[in-house]
Amino acid sequence: AQSVSQHNHHVILSEAASLELGCNYSYGGTVNLFWYVQYPGQHLQLLLKYFSGDPLVKGIKGFEAEFIKSKFSFNLRKPSVQWSDTAEYFCAVNRNDMRFGAGTRLTVKP
Amino acid sequence: DTGVSQDPRHKITKRGQNVTFRCDPISEHNRLYWYRQTLGQGPEFLTYFQNEAQLEKSRLLSDRFSAERPKGSFSTLEIQRTEQGDSAMYLCASSPVAGASTDTQYFGPGTRLTVL
Repeated sequence: AQSVSQHNHHVILSEAASLELGCNYSYGGTVNLFWYVQYPGQHLQLLLKYFSGDPLVKGIKGFEAEFIKSKFSFNLRKPSVQWSDTAEYFCAVNRNDMRFGAGTRLTVKP
Repeated sequence: DTGVSQDPRHKITKRGQNVTFRCDPISEHNRLYWYRQTLGQGPEFLTYFQNEAQLEKSRLLSDRFSAERPKGSFSTLEIQRTEQGDSAMYLCASSPVAGASTDTQYFGPGTRLTVL
């Protein structure tokens, strides 16, 4: 079945640690890939997206993601997290409709 | 605030009652989406509109659910004969005129439904 998998349910890091959140999808063909973030008490908002070109995509707040087609992956990274990055992160794939992963809750300890 | 708005933000109802939610998209966005999100899960696609036309419906959208977008602006989602399993956050999103799958979807705050 077509799906989006996020490997980590809950990640806890200290400030300044590096972050990598995994995302794999099982769709074939051309896909458009997104990372959304939901800060506590706020709406889902776009962090970054990829649909063509350079597979290394830079987003807001120092986040980046790398599309690796051969691995069906679109992992999210940040070299140094801050307390304000505490949020839930969702990977999504859009073909005809948007399919989301289950989300990864990130807690950054000050 | 020119973002996507949803009303009400919270709804508590008894099993068997009908409920209706409203979504106002960002002005001039011609695509409007409905999602359902339960605890510990990502949003699940329910349906979407391009202008007034409902173009796709998920299998999650049983015959108790109906959505409309009569004038291509705001949309309503109605759930008839609610069940406890309908308890969830119902999210609305809109995307710009191009309506392509590369478009960013802008989400509203959601309506949290609790069915007792």
